[in-house]
Amino acid sequence: DVKVTQSSRYLVKRTGEKVFLECVQDMDHENMFWYRQDPGLGLRLIYFSYDVKMKEKGDIPEGYSVSREKKERFSLILESASTNQTSMYLCASSPTTGGLQPQHFGDGTRLSIL
Amino acid sequence: DQQVKQNSPSLSVQEGRISILNCDYTNSMFDYFLWYKKYPAEGPTFLISISSIKDKNEDGRFTVFLNKSAKHLSLHIVPSQPGDSAVYFCAASARGGTYKYIFGTGTRLKVLA
Repeated sequence: DVKVTQSSRYLVKRTGEKVFLECVQDMDHENMFWYRQDPGLGLRLIYFSYDVKMKEKGDIPEGYSVSREKKERFSLILESASTNQTSMYLCASSPTTGGLQPQHFGDGTRLSIL
Repeated sequence: DQQVKQNSPSLSVQEGRISILNCDYTNSMFDYFLWYKKYPAEGPTFLISISSIKDKNEDGRFTVFLNKSAKHLSLHIVPSQPGDSAVYFCAASARGGTYKYIFGTGTRLKVLA
């Protein structure tokens, strides 16, 4: 079974702080993704990575950056947290081989910026 | 511009009856579609998928129908059970793309006992 682990379930930070959200997958997947989920807006893609040290912007990258130094780990960074970044953050991974495959999600990090 | 739309934010169905969740898309390049189920405080879990070469895919109580000409897909759950109460997301992707999916806004299904 694929396991995608997000380091924190709940996180409370202050405006202006630099925030790190960590995600680790154990299935040797090439692709990793960061989404945020907000009521009425569904899942919106922030960034994704299809290989180590490779990254591409998703639909809402502003205010975020990512890091992928190792294949199994994908970090989301809020450079200077703001209250409008309060949200549920979801990490996912998927393989490249075999064509399009479902993404496997972690349980999410509920982040509150005060 | 919402490329994948789920126009019903919520749906209530009696236990044992059929649940039908709908999804519309605008991009004709989409050719692979998935449904995910999400419980509160958990990540979405993959439910069922369909490729554009098919118009129906079935897995137990879950069936997905694809109407390419109408750019519409639907998820049928028969019979509905209280444990099916969750938020359902449809997602779409295009082959030859970057393995990313576009998600709809979700439909909250409540199955009443």
